[in-house]
Amino acid sequence: AQKITQTQPGMFVQEKEAVTLDCTYDTSDQSYGLFWYKQPSSGEMIFLIYQGSYDEQNATEGRYSLNFQKARKSANLVISASQLGDSAMYFCAMRLTGGGNKLTFGTGTQLKVEL
Amino acid sequence: DAGVIQSPRHEVTEMGQEVTLRCKPISGHDYLFWYRQTMMRGLELLIYFNNNVPIDDSGMPEDRFSAKMPNASFSTLKIQPSEPRDSAVYFCASSFSGEAFFGQGTRLTVV
Repeated sequence: AQKITQTQPGMFVQEKEAVTLDCTYDTSDQSYGLFWYKQPSSGEMIFLIYQGSYDEQNATEGRYSLNFQKARKSANLVISASQLGDSAMYFCAMRLTGGGNKLTFGTGTQLKVEL
Repeated sequence: DAGVIQSPRHEVTEMGQEVTLRCKPISGHDYLFWYRQTMMRGLELLIYFNNNVPIDDSGMPEDRFSAKMPNASFSTLKIQPSEPRDSAVYFCASSFSGEAFFGQGTRLTVV
């Protein structure tokens, strides 16, 4: 079984500040991938960043970085230098790559960037 | 590649009618996922396929829902008969081994 938990239904951040969106996961599998997606108000799902369970380095993609703490089973998304266009819903997701490849999502965090 | 293509983008139907949602995955992808998104339940995985074979349909809410993937380039999600509580955005996504790419979604309204 696999479970993703996002405990922050909503977050506010000021423009140009950094923000961390929390994600914890639960699985007994050793091989898995963790993903973050952004869903703006227009509705599309946009892939942001990926972290493999065996990756030793934290993933980074531009202003996005993933703070991966395997022992704690957490995969927090850090957005640096927030922009107004970052206001959106953010979803954490997990895929068990060792078998099945089922992709499941957390409940999401609504981020609002303020001036 | 044009990405994952879903049709229709919007569907309004009367309760009791049959609804068919369509999805064309990205060429070469061997996984296809169907999700339903509502405010109350978030993003739910309904069913997913690998190489056109259904792997896990445990998320399909009831027998009114069915999904098929007759070939690598086409999948359908059918609701028969539809009910107002089926109103949601339905997403199709495809992937190879890494991240999944989503279609634009179908907004279904059952009145």
